[in-house]
Amino acid sequence: SAVISQKPSRDICQRGTSLTIQCQVDSQVTMMFWYRQQPGQSLTLIATANQGSEATYESGFVIDKFPISRPNLTFSTLTVSNMSPEDSSIYLCSVEVAGAGSGELFFGEGSRLTVL
Amino acid sequence: QKEVEQDPGPLSVPEGAIVSLNCTYSNSAFQYFMWYRQYSRKGPELLMYTYSSGNKEDGRFTAQVDKSSKYISLFIRDSQPSDSATYLCAMSEAAGNKLTFGGGTRVLVKP
Repeated sequence: SAVISQKPSRDICQRGTSLTIQCQVDSQVTMMFWYRQQPGQSLTLIATANQGSEATYESGFVIDKFPISRPNLTFSTLTVSNMSPEDSSIYLCSVEVAGAGSGELFFGEGSRLTVL
Repeated sequence: QKEVEQDPGPLSVPEGAIVSLNCTYSNSAFQYFMWYRQYSRKGPELLMYTYSSGNKEDGRFTAQVDKSSKYISLFIRDSQPSDSATYLCAMSEAAGNKLTFGGGTRVLVKP
């Protein structure tokens, strides 16, 4: 497994502002993903964070709204830009441990975002 | 129709009972199947992981996959109040691919 730390764990933000969420893993990982979990809903994949290249976004999510960085194999950030109340969600970082090749994904504790 | 269907519950059982959870799916390309447990205000925790069809047992937990019926199950024996959580099924087509989640089933085990 892997220990995944996310910051901040929660925040309350004003409409129109942006917030960057950090994900730090205690070991090198090949695959890193960002998910969103809206209130009372299941998890939806936002994008795959690719090391050294642009993230791969799922349908309905765009880079201008959710820019992602992945400078190395242990760290990634997700920015939620120009926030609106509809962006109030839990944002989760997920990783597949390097070399596992098993498809097992582990999640961080999540960052709970409330937009007023 | 959602790609993965899961009854949202809540499912309420007395302590010691068997909890039976299931998901159905429509994508026949799914090969990897997972069950996650999520406590309130926490991230999902991987409980069980299976590849292709068959059964897998780990302590009180048993996962079953029937690819011919596109149906997966999770059984929790001797349920405890600490098992009260939301259980999410998830699946993917290949290792390292994105996971598609079910909506989650909320389980309440009453002492």
